[in-house]
Amino acid sequence: AQSVTQLDSQVPVFEEAPVELRCNYSSSVSVYLFWYVQYPNQGLQLLLKYLSGSTLVKGINGFEAEFNKSQTSFHLRKPSVHISDTAEYFCAVKSSYKLIFGSGTRLLVRP
Amino acid sequence: SAVISQKPSRDICQRGTSLTIQCQVDSQVTMMFWYRQQPGQSLTLIATANQGSEATYESGFVIDKFPISRPNLTFSTLTVSNMSPEDSSIYLCSVEEDRVQETQYFGPGTRLLVL
Repeated sequence: AQSVTQLDSQVPVFEEAPVELRCNYSSSVSVYLFWYVQYPNQGLQLLLKYLSGSTLVKGINGFEAEFNKSQTSFHLRKPSVHISDTAEYFCAVKSSYKLIFGSGTRLLVRP
Repeated sequence: SAVISQKPSRDICQRGTSLTIQCQVDSQVTMMFWYRQQPGQSLTLIATANQGSEATYESGFVIDKFPISRPNLTFSTLTVSNMSPEDSSIYLCSVEEDRVQETQYFGPGTRLLVL
């Protein structure tokens, strides 16, 4: 069965610093990968997705992620974070019809 | 992407009662899903809501506890029956649009507290 691991439960970072949120998935023949963001008291918003093609995927709000098949990783990056990026970030892999989510990483941006 | 709304946005309920959550989409979609997010946890799929047939439940979830309706291609309900404090969670519906395959979009969620 597919699984997703987000190694960092919380990532504190100062405003305007770069950030990387790590995500590893269990191997499969083909994968569809996603990053979602959940702001306080809100639902999930799609940040970006990898279905096929270029391994570097750009999303909304300046985020990007790189699909690395050999390392089974899909890390999320942003070169300069803002206070408003404080939220919970979920990595997910699509297995058949359903999404399998990681445990989430709380990004805490400090001034 | 599709615009998804849920009602109620939040509720506080007494144990032993039931609550029905509505999910409305602004376009017709084939695939609709219901997820649960327990406090401080990630999301877990409860069931896939199939239009015109019974929902398909994931392991650990049963129809008697979480009956689901899907009367048309834009609407679904999830009922949380005979609630206990352990049912306190955020319940989210999601859709996979026919024209944006392989991608699920989520509603704002329903925050349920059971006392």
